[in-house]
Amino acid sequence: KAGVTQTPRYLIKTRGQQVTLSCSPISGHRSVSWYQQTPGQGLQFLFEYFSETQRNKGNFPGRFSGRQFSNSRSEMNVSTLELGDSALYLCASSWDGLLNEQFFGPGTRLTVL
Amino acid sequence: DAKTTQPPSMDCAEGRAANLPCNHSTISGNEYVYWYRQIHSQGPQYIIHGLKNNETNEMASLIITEDRKSSTLILPHATLRDTAVYYCIVRVTTDSWGKLQFGAGTQVVVTP
Repeated sequence: KAGVTQTPRYLIKTRGQQVTLSCSPISGHRSVSWYQQTPGQGLQFLFEYFSETQRNKGNFPGRFSGRQFSNSRSEMNVSTLELGDSALYLCASSWDGLLNEQFFGPGTRLTVL
Repeated sequence: DAKTTQPPSMDCAEGRAANLPCNHSTISGNEYVYWYRQIHSQGPQYIIHGLKNNETNEMASLIITEDRKSSTLILPHATLRDTAVYYCIVRVTTDSWGKLQFGAGTQVVVTP
């Protein structure tokens, strides 16, 4: 069974630009969560989608948004990039986003210059 | 979600058992204890979880005290590949869709 895949793996952008990251969950998983990891703040929850609906959201500004498609694939978008958005962005999938374990992808390393 | 406290680091000799403590003194009755680990430059990996009974799987054992205020993750025979940051997370199963609240974790270094 294929694991969670994320594309691209590495990305370099400049301040003010926007970026879209993609996540393909494990087949059959309907919940996709997104996390940001930085050396200073650690792993922080961004949001979670289930059946194309956002069910939960962390404490991030509105520049961070996401969506989920009918095949459960998910994208997250960051607009008006800031230097502080440089981070590893991880997505995780699970059956239902609750009790079941979450499977994480390898992440997308975003560098903002 | 309840807060957890873990030691920032610990060393373990290869082949020996690694016992990782976690304090969650404010845990409530419907909160589960989860353990994940993150090997450098990889996404976190699920290890085990439990509510009040001890749990064991192919990776580890989870021992939860009777009052549920603390728990211990046991890696029975540590290998060099177990070097990672280990996160103890407590979590309700309602109102926390998809959300795992990671703390600083414990950096475990397994030495030859």
